[in-house]
Amino acid sequence: GQQLNQSPQSMFIQEGEDVSMNCTSSSIFNTWLWYKQDPGEGPVLLIALYKAGELTSNGRLTAQFGITRKDSFLNISASIPSDVGIYFCAGIPWDSSYKLIFGSGTRLLVRP
Amino acid sequence: DGGITQSPKYLFRKEGQNVTLSCEQNLNHDAMYWYRQDPGQGLRLIYYSQIVNDFQKGDIAEGYSVSREKKESFPLTVTSAQKNPTAFYLCASSLWTGAASGANVLTFGAGSRLTVL
Repeated sequence: GQQLNQSPQSMFIQEGEDVSMNCTSSSIFNTWLWYKQDPGEGPVLLIALYKAGELTSNGRLTAQFGITRKDSFLNISASIPSDVGIYFCAGIPWDSSYKLIFGSGTRLLVRP
Repeated sequence: DGGITQSPKYLFRKEGQNVTLSCEQNLNHDAMYWYRQDPGQGLRLIYYSQIVNDFQKGDIAEGYSVSREKKESFPLTVTSAQKNPTAFYLCASSLWTGAASGANVLTFGAGSRLTVL
């Protein structure tokens, strides 16, 4: 079945550093989503991307829908302690109008 | 405020018992979903429902059952047939248009953690 490869698995960075994570697939996706999950809570949507090449920002977060439609990345600039959590990418494959495929997540730890 | 409410937050079960996790939404969303999350893994789809009185199996439906008698409610029963039920369960909902247009962006509840003793 379709899979998303999300990397890195985890990151431990210093407060103030920029962060970059990405998701890749061998299949084409129509939609890319980025979620953040705080410990013991449900994921919360950060950014949604609907068109190849689209670059969208949400505060210190920037995400892009890859031009090949097979990848997406999320950047966090000037990280702060509350950025700690697990970041998931998710995509809707071209041949499915409903089924979200999730990456395995990137665990981010920020050292004050 | 609109949102999704899952209960209970924590649940303990003895082996051989069925348990039911509640999920209620007041977002007027058409579709509802149940996901399972294990440590270090992504979310895996258990069941989903596009409309009332209809639901479909996801990738890991064995050992689970659902019902959709009301638009607002989508309870999940973890049966004794589920061999490894200890996990974090997430309910979600979305609008449904059948098109990949962003209507299928999921809103999640806060989750229920099930532990089998």
